[in-house]
Amino acid sequence: DGGITQSPKYLFRKEGQNVTLSCEQNLNHDAMYWYRQDPGQGLRLIYYSQIVNDFQKGDIAEGYSVSREKKESFPLTVTSAQKNPTAFYLCASIQPGGKNIQYFGAGTRLSVL
Amino acid sequence: AQSVTQLDSQVPVFEEAPVELRCNYSSSVSVYLFWYVQYPNQGLQLLLKYLSGSTLVKGINGFEAEFNKSQTSFHLRKPSVHISDTAEYFCAVSVTGTASKLTFGTGTRLQVTL
Repeated sequence: DGGITQSPKYLFRKEGQNVTLSCEQNLNHDAMYWYRQDPGQGLRLIYYSQIVNDFQKGDIAEGYSVSREKKESFPLTVTSAQKNPTAFYLCASIQPGGKNIQYFGAGTRLSVL
Repeated sequence: AQSVTQLDSQVPVFEEAPVELRCNYSSSVSVYLFWYVQYPNQGLQLLLKYLSGSTLVKGINGFEAEFNKSQTSFHLRKPSVHISDTAEYFCAVSVTGTASKLTFGTGTRLQVTL
């Protein structure tokens, strides 16, 4: 089955710790996105990548980092510089064809210990 | 830049009643419009999309939406809701063109009760 797999489903971060959220897709999509979801705020774009080895900051990139070494993978690192990391993180990819239809993973819920 | 406004943060409705979830957008260029549904602790699932052509679009689970360019709206409707429709609904907009970013509204929580 084709889709987007996010892991882990739940993640806990200690003070000063970096944590990495995994996003893998087998849809052969070029563009991938990371969003942060907080209650009552909708989804906010953290980073996106339209092609391997290239990525751009979104609206709230501070305290986060990404890499895109493979087409299938777009991991997100929440660094210790992100002072309020507790949120639901969603990864998405875009179906080729120029219609901007995004497909989402099931999300990772990050909490601070 | 584009923006999306979902005026209702919560919409309570009885089962089998009709429902309308409102979405207004702002953009100076042509847009694509989307409605997504999110069940608790899950990702977003595409309900329907407007890309071009007919302004009335039909989606999954009996939902439909109408694109109104003059009123810059894209309201979501269902003639008869079911308990299983209880979820968060997000309206989103992007400019036309390849791999453009989506801008999301803040969401509307649809609560269906007996």
